[in-house]
Amino acid sequence: AQKVTQAQTEISVVEKEDVTLDCVYETRDTTYYLFWYKQPPSGELVFLIRRNSFDEQNEISGRYSWNFQKSTSSFNFTITASQVVDSAVYFCALSEAPNTGNQFYFGTGTSLTVIP
Amino acid sequence: DGGITQSPKYLFRKEGQNVTLSCEQNLNHDAMYWYRQDPGQGLRLIYYSQIVNDFQKGDIAEGYSVSREKKESFPLTVTSAQKNPTAFYLCASSIEAALGYTFGSGTRLTVV
Repeated sequence: AQKVTQAQTEISVVEKEDVTLDCVYETRDTTYYLFWYKQPPSGELVFLIRRNSFDEQNEISGRYSWNFQKSTSSFNFTITASQVVDSAVYFCALSEAPNTGNQFYFGTGTSLTVIP
Repeated sequence: DGGITQSPKYLFRKEGQNVTLSCEQNLNHDAMYWYRQDPGQGLRLIYYSQIVNDFQKGDIAEGYSVSREKKESFPLTVTSAQKNPTAFYLCASSIEAALGYTFGSGTRLTVV
């Protein structure tokens, strides 16, 4: 079973629109960590955010915000007033604890295209 | 600046050849990882190493080999046994997976 599901394969929005990328995870652990990474066309994965399972506070960083809901096992990512530079593939990931050292569970990614 | 360096950025291989992808980090991270990414797909774990002179197979280790002789280095060899080697390869490292990974910029391997 997929531990991290990103159901949206591709999304296109027009610049300045808001867009939400969905992430649903599955774990039996009470302690775990959730992440979002951005992969621009250059290829390198860039860390965006880390959340532990005990902190359900939503977070805002500039135009980015994250909504963590344990009740629905979701960790969604919203970009407000999207820009062309936001075009990238975005990955959600899960790390369980205690960690065996080998595992991040990545979703399959959502490719976001922002149209000028 | 601390980070992960992958080289080369682009690599072309003839069928039947082995090639080695380099991954070097100066972050003093114990753990290092190799992932493969195919177009439109997520990341699949090839090998990982938590400590020098030790490494473990990931989900798709067949046709690949690694070594970890130094903390800073974790080279990946794509052998001729790998039937579909054309892909984007990403190296990563971490102090602890719960803190997140740092990724290199990747190597795009093409079989010609």
